[in-house]
Amino acid sequence: AQSVTQLDSQVPVFEEAPVELRCNYSSSVSVYLFWYVQYPNQGLQLLLKYLSGSTLVKGINGFEAEFNKSQTSFHLRKPSVHISDTAEYFCAVKDTGTASKLTFGTGTRLQVTL
Amino acid sequence: DVKVTQSSRYLVKRTGEKVFLECVQDMDHENMFWYRQDPGLGLRLIYFSYDVKMKEKGDIPEGYSVSREKKERFSLILESASTNQTSMYLCASRRISGNMEQFFGPGTRLTVL
Repeated sequence: AQSVTQLDSQVPVFEEAPVELRCNYSSSVSVYLFWYVQYPNQGLQLLLKYLSGSTLVKGINGFEAEFNKSQTSFHLRKPSVHISDTAEYFCAVKDTGTASKLTFGTGTRLQVTL
Repeated sequence: DVKVTQSSRYLVKRTGEKVFLECVQDMDHENMFWYRQDPGLGLRLIYFSYDVKMKEKGDIPEGYSVSREKKERFSLILESASTNQTSMYLCASRRISGNMEQFFGPGTRLTVL
């Protein structure tokens, strides 16, 4: 079984500052990794994913994440945030078997202020 | 664009009522999922379905059942609603192979009084 830890439940940041949202996972098998974003009163939307290949993954809205196998981490970063990035961010892991399910972290609320 | 729709955005029911939450996807996805989302707990999987008439229990199936009679539709049923089932319910669908992306509906906020 796999699990996901998002240690920061809330991250406050000023507009145009950089941000990193942390995600660590545990799994005994190879995994796929995902970051989803949830804007207020909406469902989840995929930001980016790591399936294989380059460990630096670029997603929508200027976000990127780096897969670090030795540290079992998949931290999300953005060099300069905007007010519109205020949302809840979920990290998720899935083992590489096609029939397996996603396991989500508890989420990090990013609050961007002026 | 893939679209996952849920029958209601907001729902208020009374304790003991039978509640149906409907989810429809329009991209012929084999897999469909029901989650509940609670503050501080993230998303927890209730049930999922690999294909028509197939279902598997997720992490928190107690108090829920599901039905998948057609490929595009996945229903979540609360046989006898209780106040601890007040939550946000999210449906998702995914193709069985390929890029592994799950597409989510907008959610149904259920309040049980």
